[in-house]
Amino acid sequence: EDQVTQSPEALRLQEGESSSLNCSYTVSGLRGLFWYRQDPGKGPEFLFTLYSAGEEKEKERLKATLTKKESFLHITAPKPEDSATYLCAVYNTDKLIFGTGTRLQVFP
Amino acid sequence: DTGVSQNPRHKITKRGQNVTFRCDPISEHNRLYWYRQTLGQGPEFLTYFQNEAQLEKSRLLSDRFSAERPKGSFSTLEIQRTEQGDSAMYLCASRNGGPGNTIYFGEGSWLTVV
Repeated sequence: EDQVTQSPEALRLQEGESSSLNCSYTVSGLRGLFWYRQDPGKGPEFLFTLYSAGEEKEKERLKATLTKKESFLHITAPKPEDSATYLCAVYNTDKLIFGTGTRLQVFP
Repeated sequence: DTGVSQNPRHKITKRGQNVTFRCDPISEHNRLYWYRQTLGQGPEFLTYFQNEAQLEKSRLLSDRFSAERPKGSFSTLEIQRTEQGDSAMYLCASRNGGPGNTIYFGEGSWLTVV
């Protein structure tokens, strides 16, 4: 059965303190690994899709990487506006399977 | 491109009542998904359509839940005889059918059953 596990569940960072979020997955046939950002009370906002091991994508202070078993979302010099829940999902058999997310809080 | 639109955004209903949510996907997106999300959890897949055909339903989708996409455009999700355990955010998403296309989510419809 496809499974996605995210860690940590919650992360508190000081502004400017870089860190990484982990997404480990078990899937029969990966057709894409997605990262979304979700603000409280809102729908997930698309960030990245990664398709093969070794692939990397960047957007502002965020960089996503992918191996055969896990993905990392690196946050460099975060700002308070980066505070949100970050969701990881694998795409297989025509649907996304999500992890439970990492709740990130960045303090000034 | 106006994004995925969901209505109503919030619904409070009494236990036992029926509720219906509507989703308007991004224009020309032939795939439409419904997910459910509770506090502290990731979205859980409920069902999806390709055009007007409902291709898969999760075991989470009990007999009280029904989804339609009659003309391959907008979709409705109806919950009959609501229970307190149905309280959640119901998310709709859409994408084009080709490989590698992004799945975009709406803002969700919050349901509170009292």
